[in-house]
Amino acid sequence: DAKTTQPNSMESNEEEPVHLPCNHSTISGTDYIHWYRQLPSQGPEYVIHGLTSNVNNRMASLAIAEDRKSSTLILHRATLRDAAVYYCIQGSNYKLTFGKGTLLTVNP
Amino acid sequence: NAGVMQNPRHLVRRRGQEARLRCSPMKGHSHVYWYRQLPEEGLKFMVYLQKENIIDESGMPKERFSAEFPKEGPSILRIQQVVRGDSAAYFCASSPGWTATNEKLFFGSGTQLSVL
Repeated sequence: DAKTTQPNSMESNEEEPVHLPCNHSTISGTDYIHWYRQLPSQGPEYVIHGLTSNVNNRMASLAIAEDRKSSTLILHRATLRDAAVYYCIQGSNYKLTFGKGTLLTVNP
Repeated sequence: NAGVMQNPRHLVRRRGQEARLRCSPMKGHSHVYWYRQLPEEGLKFMVYLQKENIIDESGMPKERFSAEFPKEGPSILRIQQVVRGDSAAYFCASSPGWTATNEKLFFGSGTQLSVL
């Protein structure tokens, strides 16, 4: 069973920032927080992952709460190509358990 | 720079037939993982293989399902005597080494299996 909690859906406008929340209150000390996204009829695509510190890459930023029980994926300027299901996953190895994720809609 | 290649993209089988799903990992990757996505559900881990070795098959159903990753050629997920409940999207992922905490998985586009 998925251990994280995410909103079912969120909506954003193009070129605006998007903050996708995730709760992982049962996270252990060795669990990383992974984010993947999936477009229709495609496999998941890696977005970002982190352990304790905030992380940045060319796709997004990951802000991790100090107690590690929640995190937020930040897309700085949403584009239409960012419309997808976003999965927040806690785990420490290859056995990633995907929940139902957040369906992000981006309006032009 | 080809990504993870899966074929076929769509596979239709009648109940009782065998299904063979193929996965070629990214160049330079020696670790392969199979995941299954049932309708309206998230992906679930099935099996982790290295060349000629099954490392972890804890997510595989005990019967009818098997996987291999031979020394030469793609990884194969085999489902014998398929039933309607096997209808799902099957995704393969690869990584260059053991995915502990700091490696990402590269996923293929999946094989959609439909059992009539």
